[in-house]
Amino acid sequence: DIQVTQSPSSQSASVGDRVTITCRASQDISTYLAWFQQRPGKAPKPLIYGASSLHSGVPSKFSGSGSGTDFTLTISSLQPEDSATYYCQQYNTYPWTFGQGTRVEI
Amino acid sequence: QVQLVQSGAEVKKPGASVRLSCKASGYIFTNYYLHWVRQAPGQGLEWMGMINPSGGSTNYAQSFQGRVTMTSDTSTSTVYMELSSLRSGDTAAYYCTRYFGGNSPLFDFWGQGTLVTVSS
Repeated sequence: DIQVTQSPSSQSASVGDRVTITCRASQDISTYLAWFQQRPGKAPKPLIYGASSLHSGVPSKFSGSGSGTDFTLTISSLQPEDSATYYCQQYNTYPWTFGQGTRVEI
Repeated sequence: QVQLVQSGAEVKKPGASVRLSCKASGYIFTNYYLHWVRQAPGQGLEWMGMINPSGGSTNYAQSFQGRVTMTSDTSTSTVYMELSSLRSGDTAAYYCTRYFGGNSPLFDFWGQGTLVTVSS
């Protein structure tokens, strides 16, 4: 199975900050990497697919980059509503696997 | 509008089975793969498997092999996920979500989740 390692596991930031979360796959997954935001008690919300493509309706403050094994999610101009847990997921090879999550606190 | 509506919460005893449903509407049912993802309390997301409603082919995570069965009913646009030999570690919220395939947006719509509690 492809292991997906996210870092950091948690991050505290202030309103207006830029936050970067990294995701490393244990083998080449091309650009089959997605990012999700999840607030407590809610279903995950899709943010990014194909490593860098924004889902419809997602604000441009969210951006993704990377290919192969190393990926990043950047959240610019952090706002209180961005407080959530963020997950990456590889969908290049079954079984699809998620990172362990990054909790972002404002 | 696209909707994935899941069945209600379940409470089961260890060793029992549970069958969850996910009813799709607002799009062509057979055009999208349906996936199941679960989340134990306070834990991360775990991919369980998928079904292609067009033909019924499936792919399950190894950790659920032998215990999970995913089926689809094209007449009602509903997919089902049955998990057997339940144990306390299966207590989780279970989500269905869809994917068209290829370079299309992954998991663009999600069901509301079904909480399954396994307790004696």
